Amino acid sequence: GAGVSQSPSNKVTEKGKDVELRCDPISGHTALYWYRQSLGQGLEFLIYFQGNSAPDKSGLPSDRFSAERTGGSVSTLTIQRTQQEDSAVYLCASSGRQGRSDEAFFGQGTRLTVV
Amino acid sequence: AQSVTQLGSHVSVSEGALVLLRCNYSSSVPPYLFWYVQYPNQGLQLLLKYTTGATLVKGINGFEAEFKKSETSFHLTKPSAHMSDAAEYFCAVKKNTGFQKLVFGTGTRLLVSP
Repeated sequence: GAGVSQSPSNKVTEKGKDVELRCDPISGHTALYWYRQSLGQGLEFLIYFQGNSAPDKSGLPSDRFSAERTGGSVSTLTIQRTQQEDSAVYLCASSGRQGRSDEAFFGQGTRLTVV
Repeated sequence: AQSVTQLGSHVSVSEGALVLLRCNYSSSVPPYLFWYVQYPNQGLQLLLKYTTGATLVKGINGFEAEFKKSETSFHLTKPSAHMSDAAEYFCAVKKNTGFQKLVFGTGTRLLVSP
């Protein structure tokens, strides 16, 4: 597709269940980011993938959170044993086709609600 | 490490008034700077960016920003606010060496009253 695609757009899950959020970046983009945006809050950095380099996981809030990027393209963010405080919009972005100055292009986000 | 400070979590203006959203950055090397806008229930959209060259950058919807190295600032302005400008605005910084992650400020919500 032409833009960053995230699925599902909405997810309601019960506390304690695991969830997987998917991000399809723009074709050819080498960088991929995950951010979290809680109600009324700014953007919280979670993880950054750049090419074949080791990901920057410094923003993951706990070991319940993990992410992978297969084949340098699609990424999955997994949250294990979800808690109510995990409720937020999870945003994915990609960049990098035209060089270092490239801006990040964002998907529409996945709204996660933990009940 | 880079960081961004956006002064004021909320800014209120009247329709037709000047919009000024403040952004100060910290970077150990010359930065790339960005402003993004987020309308309700939508993803982020690029307004404008500074990479090299002219320090006054013009973006979409009549917005512009000026890179001032001496003040480490990249404030966003628009001469006349429209109701449709009501949104959340995020400033972001990235090192201009190698591939670096984008670091965002906490955002400023712009409220426009009639």
